[in-house]
Amino acid sequence: GNSVTQMEGPVTLSEEAFLTINCTYTATGYPSLFWYVQYPGEGLQLLLKATKADDKGSNKGFEATYRKETTSFHLEKGSVQVSDSAVYFCALSRISSGSARQLTFGSGTQLTVLP
Amino acid sequence: ETGVTQSPTHLIKTRGQQVTLRCSSQSGHNTVSWYQQALGQGPQFIFQYYREEENGRGNFPPRFSGLQFPNYSSELNVNALELDDSALYLCASSFPDRDTEAFFGQGTRLTVV
Repeated sequence: GNSVTQMEGPVTLSEEAFLTINCTYTATGYPSLFWYVQYPGEGLQLLLKATKADDKGSNKGFEATYRKETTSFHLEKGSVQVSDSAVYFCALSRISSGSARQLTFGSGTQLTVLP
Repeated sequence: ETGVTQSPTHLIKTRGQQVTLRCSSQSGHNTVSWYQQALGQGPQFIFQYYREEENGRGNFPPRFSGLQFPNYSSELNVNALELDDSALYLCASSFPDRDTEAFFGQGTRLTVV
């Protein structure tokens, strides 16, 4: 079946540090890949996405490249800010039973950025 | 354009009771999905509704059921509540297309005691 494995947290960084959160997936075919972010007390917000191999998704300084050969979609940011503190979820999208396109999520990585 | 709204935001129920959670989808979106997020875990897919029909289901028992209305709003019903049903329940609306972003509501925090 489909699954997503992401780096366990929590991750604590100082402001302006470099961020990497690792994500690997298992799926048949060619899923779309996503990073979602969840701020305290809020729902999930799409951060970025990539729909085919070698695509790079980017948003708000975050980037992730769809690597089919390593089945990975690692999230990176060159200089984190305190406001980036949140839980980050890697996810893939595939057709499930019936015709539903469902998201399969990793377990999330808590990021705390200290001033 | 309104976002996805869920109600109530918090709920406490007793084991064995039934609960109904509600979701209003983003304007124009005809597909609604429900997810269960246990504490410290990623969301898990419960089911999806498209044009008032269930068109996909995750690994959840039949006591989890749903409805979608002509205005695309949706309900999640859970019967015979168990302690393990305590979780954040998230609703997401979208178009049924591969590359379309799913917009999530803020969720309903259900506590079963």
